[in-house]
Amino acid sequence: KNQVEQSPQSLIILEGKNCTLQCNYTVSPFSNLRWYKQDTGRGPVSLTIMTFSENTKSNGRYTATLDADTKQSSLHITASQLSDSASYICVVSARKGGGSYIPTFGRGTSLIVHP
Amino acid sequence: SAVISQKPSRDICQRGTSLTIQCQVDSQVTMMFWYRQQPGQSLTLIATANQGSEATYESGFVIDKFPISRPNLTFSTLTVSNMSPEDSSIYLCSVWDRERVYEQYFGPGTRLTVT
Repeated sequence: KNQVEQSPQSLIILEGKNCTLQCNYTVSPFSNLRWYKQDTGRGPVSLTIMTFSENTKSNGRYTATLDADTKQSSLHITASQLSDSASYICVVSARKGGGSYIPTFGRGTSLIVHP
Repeated sequence: SAVISQKPSRDICQRGTSLTIQCQVDSQVTMMFWYRQQPGQSLTLIATANQGSEATYESGFVIDKFPISRPNLTFSTLTVSNMSPEDSSIYLCSVWDRERVYEQYFGPGTRLTVT
């Protein structure tokens, strides 16, 4: 069964500090891994997308890494800001016939940034 | 990118009633999906809305409870029928951009509370 596990479940940090969120998965056959940011009361917004051949992808202060051998990914947030307070969701997709894929969603990590 | 709007953004409904949620996309898309996000849980796929044919439902979801319409390539509705407090959740419309194969976009969600 395809599964995506995220840790920690929640995290509180001070503004300006860095943090790293983890994502472990058992999804096969692997197609891609995406990180989303979901603000309270909003839908998820894509931060990064990585395929099998990519092991790092940056989007501003967000850097995602992927280790396809250990089936792990991390999202590193540099110099956190109050606006980074949100839920971060890891989504791992399995390849499906016809060029499509089946996503499996993690439960998310709730990040709170305090001033 | 696809811009998705949903109506209503939130509602409080009484047990036994029904609510229809609308999803409008600013461009024609092949694949439209409806998800449910319960508090502290990951996103769960309810069904794939197919244009011109019946929706494809995931295990645990049935057409009588969640009827879906997809009259064209930019619009879909999800009805939550005969509601109970267990239906309290966020309902999200999502589309898959075939031109950007791995990109999946989400609407802002509809927060439903059933009393």
